[in-house]
Amino acid sequence: GENVEQHPSTLSVQEGDSAVIKCTYSDSASNYFPWYKQELGKGPQLIIDIRSNVGEKKDQRIAVTLNKTAKHFSLHITETQPEDSAVYFCAASFDNDMRFGAGTRLTVKP
Amino acid sequence: GAVVSQHPSRVICKSGTSVKIECRSLDFQATTMFWYRQFPKQSLMLMATSNEGSKATYEQGVEKDKFLINHASLTLSTLTVTSAHPEDSSFYICSAKYGYTFGSGTRLTVV
Repeated sequence: GENVEQHPSTLSVQEGDSAVIKCTYSDSASNYFPWYKQELGKGPQLIIDIRSNVGEKKDQRIAVTLNKTAKHFSLHITETQPEDSAVYFCAASFDNDMRFGAGTRLTVKP
Repeated sequence: GAVVSQHPSRVICKSGTSVKIECRSLDFQATTMFWYRQFPKQSLMLMATSNEGSKATYEQGVEKDKFLINHASLTLSTLTVTSAHPEDSSFYICSAKYGYTFGSGTRLTVV
């Protein structure tokens, strides 16, 4: 089955700096890679996703890159703000099977 | 966009009782829904896949008789934790295949 590894587990940045979270996956059949933001006591919220036929996708301050050959994908947040502080999860999916990374706790210090 | 409503958001129950959690797709039909469990500071662990009109598919190690799943309509899936014990205390989250939208989660505390 799919195995998703996520690094780092914690990340602290200064407001305005960039944050990068990286994930690797094991199953080459995975073709959908979403990123979720989870705030305390709430369900995960989809913030951006990418499919295997695309190498990069950007939405305002958030971007995701995918390297299918190396089986890794990354989340980039630019101009970070305190409200970006949360736990971020990557996931890899094929058909009905979605597996999550362990999560990254991002803290943006004002 | 796709919205998944989950209720209740918090529930406290006594050991030995059963608790039902509902997950509804509000603006679309969800033939497939997923139930996850999340322990503090950990990732989401898939418990089962709920299919409308058929039996749920449980992940290895998940007791199907303890975590009863019913998906009787295209907009509603329920998870019932039967004979709850303190170790069942956790955050339970549902999601729908459409856009992989998640519910807001249910914090279950068994005392």
